[in-house]
Formats: sequence, structure tokens, C-alpha cells
Amino acid sequence: SQQGEEDPQALSIQEGENATMNCSYKTSINNLQWYRQNSGRGLVHLILIRSNEREKHSGRLRVTLDTSKKSSSLLITASRAADTASYFCATDFLSTSGTYKYIFGTGTRLKVLA
Amino acid sequence: DAGVTQSPTHLIKTRGQQVTLRCSPISGHKSVSWYQQVLGQGPQFIFQYYEKEERGRGNFPDRFSARQFPNYSSELNVNALLLGDSALYLCASSLGGVRTGELFFGEGSRLTVL
Repeated sequence: SQQGEEDPQALSIQEGENATMNCSYKTSINNLQWYRQNSGRGLVHLILIRSNEREKHSGRLRVTLDTSKKSSSLLITASRAADTASYFCATDFLSTSGTYKYIFGTGTRLKVLA
Repeated sequence: DAGVTQSPTHLIKTRGQQVTLRCSPISGHKSVSWYQQVLGQGPQFIFQYYEKEERGRGNFPDRFSARQFPNYSSELNVNALLLGDSALYLCASSLGGVRTGELFFGEGSRLTVL
């Protein structure tokens, strides 16, 4: 499969705890992005990290990228009930036809308990 | 400013029928891409259009086609519908082509094929 994979598939934590999700991919990339999706609705962009960056922060989000291991992690600190959603990583992929496309992972379903 | 708008939001078709889904990108965005998301999985890339030209195609049969109009809006057509085409169809717009940054998603069109 060309698709990235997130783990864990599902995660349940208490409000105030930190949540860590991991993403692995298979090919070299230009950038990696994380998106959030609330219950079957559209995806919302969270953060983009470029291949020459190792770590990036945005509010309560921290993303790391290890291109040697072809993996990324998303950390949400001090989680809130409103963070309950599915989280996806997306990487740009060069297809055999010579065009680029974004490949989304399988997602991590996060549930934050109040 | 209006975000990405998709229509219809929900529709029900029977096997063998044809469907047209519509997408209006954010003003100023020249790229539109389409994704299929089956329940419990990540979005799967179908097409990308940039400046009215097809720039990428995913692993979908020829029953799937799309086009982009001079005003950058787009249509996705699916012919000879199968039960397996039941999914959430997401449209995303971006300023440039793939690799240039974040995708802005609409809320999707949920297609049910009976």
C-alpha cells in the first residue's frame, strides 16, 4: 500500500492528559501534514512540516518528523473534550505517472473523556 | 470569506445510475482535488486539477471523471454506480498545485448507493 499508517488506530484518554499519535510513510516527501476530522465532516488542516524541519509547534500541538525513519508524531498537550476527533497524516507522493498527490493515512480516532 | 462549498450534501442513488458532485473552491484558489472516504478509512485521492488541467489521478476506474471550469469550480462524475461507491466525497482547494501547502476541505457529499 502507498498509504501512510497511523498508530494507534484508537486512543482514549482523560481530559488534561497528553495524546501522542504516530504516522509512518513509505516514500521520500516534500512535506507532511496533519489534519483533524470531526465525525464524518470535512478535514481541517492542523500543521505542516517540511522535510528539512525536525519539529514544529502550533499552540498545544507539537509535530516531529524523522525522515530517516520515515515517521512523524503529533502530540496534543493538555487535551480537551473538544479534541475528540479523527486525526490523519498526509504526505505528498510522486506517482508513476509523474504527478504528485497527497496520500492520507488510516487515521487515529482520539476520544478525550471529560 | 466563504470556504470550500460542496453540493449536494447528501444523495441516494441506485446501482447503475450516474451522479454529479459539485465543488466551489475558496476565492483565489486555482487547484481542486477530490477524495473518496469510505467509513472508517482515510481519504483516498481521486483527482487533482490545477488551472483547469488534470494534474493527478488516483487508482480509480474510468467510471470516475472530473473537470474544472474557468471559474475554478469543479465537478466529479461517477457513472454506472456500484454499491461500493457509497462514501463521503470530499473536495479540497489550495492556492497552487500539490506540494505547495495546505488543503482546505469542504464538508463533503455523502453518497449512498442502494
